[in-house]
Amino acid sequence: DAKTTQPPSMDCAEGRAANLPCNHSTISGNEYVYWYRQIHSQGPQYIIHGLKNNETNEMASLIITEDRKSSTLILPHATLRDTAVYYCIVRGMTTDSWGKLQFGAGTQVVVTP
Amino acid sequence: GAVVSQHPSRVICKSGTSVKIECRSLDFQATTMFWYRQFPKQSLMLMATSNEGSKATYEQGVEKDKFLINHASLTLSTLTVTSAHPEDSSFYICRAQRGTEAFFGQGTRLTVV
Repeated sequence: DAKTTQPPSMDCAEGRAANLPCNHSTISGNEYVYWYRQIHSQGPQYIIHGLKNNETNEMASLIITEDRKSSTLILPHATLRDTAVYYCIVRGMTTDSWGKLQFGAGTQVVVTP
Repeated sequence: GAVVSQHPSRVICKSGTSVKIECRSLDFQATTMFWYRQFPKQSLMLMATSNEGSKATYEQGVEKDKFLINHASLTLSTLTVTSAHPEDSSFYICRAQRGTEAFFGQGTRLTVV
């Protein structure tokens, strides 16, 4: 599985957009980029995923570069409840590829008033 | 609503006692579930893979006799921490896969006193 690299922490002002980068330079053609977040003392929560096109849902937008070696998760209007650790994961689109899913350190996002 | 339900959410037990944590997939069958442990300010660490109808497989360094896993049905996996010690105090999280969708339990905060 492709390795991902994320900054360890990021601060964001409430109401502003939060742009979270992720580097996945070894991603292969059939692997998707997934984002999860973990609010303190809760289990991880799915946010969004994409292959090569930009994606948007009610939680966030995902921008994937044309060469697919990096991506950015955008929280358009950060709220205090968005304070969490955000994990970028690369996975294939088969059930087998989801076996022993391991997490990196992620990015600790702190949204301040 | 929650797709994977984990109970209890928090438990305090005395040293030497055993604690059972349940993980249920609510509206789908999960032949495989996964158990993670998370210490403060650290990422999730995969402990073991729970297989319905067969023995669990454990990651290196995880004591199978201490962390008993039972996956007796397609919707329920249990993790029993036996003879708990203060160093077992941690946040335990389960994961179930529905195809390529990963669902996590809410987590169990275990405190051993």
